Amino acid sequence: DTAVSQTPKYLVTQMGNDKSIKCEQNLGHDTMYWYKQDSKKFLKIMFSYNNKELIINETVPNRFSPKSPDKAHLNLHINSLELGDSAVYFCASSRDGISYEQYFGPGTRLTVT
Amino acid sequence: RKEVEQDPGPFNVPEGATVAFNCTYSNSASQSFFWYRQDCRKEPKLLMSVYSSGNEDGRFTAQLNRASQYISLLIRDSKLSDSATYLCVVNTAGGATNKLIFGTGTLLAVQP
Repeated sequence: DTAVSQTPKYLVTQMGNDKSIKCEQNLGHDTMYWYKQDSKKFLKIMFSYNNKELIINETVPNRFSPKSPDKAHLNLHINSLELGDSAVYFCASSRDGISYEQYFGPGTRLTVT
Repeated sequence: RKEVEQDPGPFNVPEGATVAFNCTYSNSASQSFFWYRQDCRKEPKLLMSVYSSGNEDGRFTAQLNRASQYISLLIRDSKLSDSATYLCVVNTAGGATNKLIFGTGTLLAVQP
């Protein structure tokens, strides 16, 4: 009965490769997010989608491309992976707006070698 | 100045102690405030929202001072299970979008 799930949980890959992370929520929420948590534990928003529409796009390299096939799914594709992309990527969802609690997935630990 | 600033700690306290964490935010137009808890190698989870009037949930008390742009979290009678990183979270207001800004967190280690 996982509310927000992500796959894979761990991802080890070489520089230059392309990889995808998938996220699904079964909470019926309208808004989904991708966050990056770096080695210093700083958690920063990357993207936000509301009902499949992109509403937040931070200054993220365009190698990162989110895709939302429906409001329950938000996937993240990363092209030409770099060492600096190594981090934990968290997906999250919320009912709507910003006053509502955000529920986080378990995270995907990406290591680029 | 960082948008949300916290003392990173660590705070090492004995069981049963009372500990307080502080947080300041830079955007005076912010409207929503939260404390999240993150255990080691786990995802953040909402601990409590912070209201202008202050609010309490069991051993946890959160307070907001809008004039000073300051948020606090007080934990009474600390338990070993309270050991975690506590993240101060503030929304940014204005413009076409709102988003949550996370502080870097304060690490609490409760010792037996």
